[in-house]
Amino acid sequence: AQSVAQPEDQVNVAEGNPLTVKCTYSVSGNPYLFWYVQYPNRGLQFLLKYITGDNLVKGSYGFEAEFNKSQTSFHLKKPSALVSDSALYFCAVRDPNDMRFGAGTRLTVKP
Amino acid sequence: NAGVMQNPRHLVRRRGQEARLRCSPMKGHSHVYWYRQLPEEGLKFMVYLQKENIIDESGMPKERFSAEFPKEGPSILRIQQVVRGDSAAYFCASSTLGSNNEQFFGPGTRLTVL
Repeated sequence: AQSVAQPEDQVNVAEGNPLTVKCTYSVSGNPYLFWYVQYPNRGLQFLLKYITGDNLVKGSYGFEAEFNKSQTSFHLKKPSALVSDSALYFCAVRDPNDMRFGAGTRLTVKP
Repeated sequence: NAGVMQNPRHLVRRRGQEARLRCSPMKGHSHVYWYRQLPEEGLKFMVYLQKENIIDESGMPKERFSAEFPKEGPSILRIQQVVRGDSAAYFCASSTLGSNNEQFFGPGTRLTVL
């Protein structure tokens, strides 16, 4: 069965510093991997996805994620964090019949 | 405590028919979210509802789609006059306005339009 893990409940960074939100996955076969963001009182918003191709995926709002097959990881990154990036971030993996989400990581960017 | 329930799990409709998808949130949850997942894609937000109130419908198509969450009973996503492009998996999630606002997802309804 496929699964994703987000090992950190909370990530705190200072504005302007790089940020990383971690995600590891377990799948049989080739993974379809996604990152979503949830702002307060809003639904999930799609950030980026990896299906095939270049291991470095660029997404919305300046975010990117690196697919690492040997480490089974798909960490979300941004070179310079903004206070407005503060939100809940979810990693997800899907197969044709199901989609599994990580527990979420709350990112707080302090001015 | 049962999780989020959606029914039916699979729904087949012919073009022009109506599709009704139901979502029962987790006990104690008063907020419901609907998402659509097209083949090979991730989830796309459609609408966010509270009991008897639509909070955010910015992701809903302007025509044929509607959603409600009545005071009693499940949330309903209705698609009128379905077309083949409506074929997708539709996921519902629920939450309570807690400190982290975590959403719990249902198993989804797979809609196939013939």
